[in-house]
Amino acid sequence: GQNIDQPTEMTATEGAIVQINCTYQTSGFNGLFWYQQHAGEAPTFLSYNVLDGLEEKGRFSSFLSRSKGYSYLLLKELQMKDSASYLCAVYNQGGKLIFGQGTELSVKP
Amino acid sequence: GAVVSQHPSWVICKSGTSVKIECRSLDFQATTMFWYRQFPKQSLMLMATSNEGSKATYEQGVEKDKFLINHASLTLSTLTVTSAHPEDSSFYICSARDRRQGGDGYTFGSGTRLTIV
Repeated sequence: GQNIDQPTEMTATEGAIVQINCTYQTSGFNGLFWYQQHAGEAPTFLSYNVLDGLEEKGRFSSFLSRSKGYSYLLLKELQMKDSASYLCAVYNQGGKLIFGQGTELSVKP
Repeated sequence: GAVVSQHPSWVICKSGTSVKIECRSLDFQATTMFWYRQFPKQSLMLMATSNEGSKATYEQGVEKDKFLINHASLTLSTLTVTSAHPEDSSFYICSARDRRQGGDGYTFGSGTRLTIV
């Protein structure tokens, strides 16, 4: 079956660093995506990992360990506008993008 | 970059009517498109995979006779919610993959907020 787990919600302070974890068990693996979604809007792409290691892109970094079925999204220098839902999604062997339940991040002053 | 246009953005209909949602890839050809449904404070749930020129493949638990999918061209897929009821009210989002873009090639439409009253 398909199982993608991430925390339901997290709270962090403006200017701080936050790490959002994602663990997965899926039928095949062809890559892991992180998306940001604001309420009522479509998801926007943040990162894509297919090999183990850390991918850095500005204030956002994403890490993948395929052997552990584990990824995290790291957000640095948090801003109020980063308050959103963060979705972990796995591109499985069937060519489908399967989403976790999403992590609602609240950034407070 | 790749653009996926989805219409309408929102629609309110009476119970029992049918609603059609369109998803278009504007600057690339999409042989495959995906339809998702999202309830409030929940994640995106894959409903079906739309295949150009052939039948859609539905995820377990999704009624294919209720959610009709047509993918008649390489740039257009439509989802029709037939005989809609209040429990069908949700946020529906389509996506397509522009294979020219490699790993980040999944592009989402802007979503359709469907409310059945």
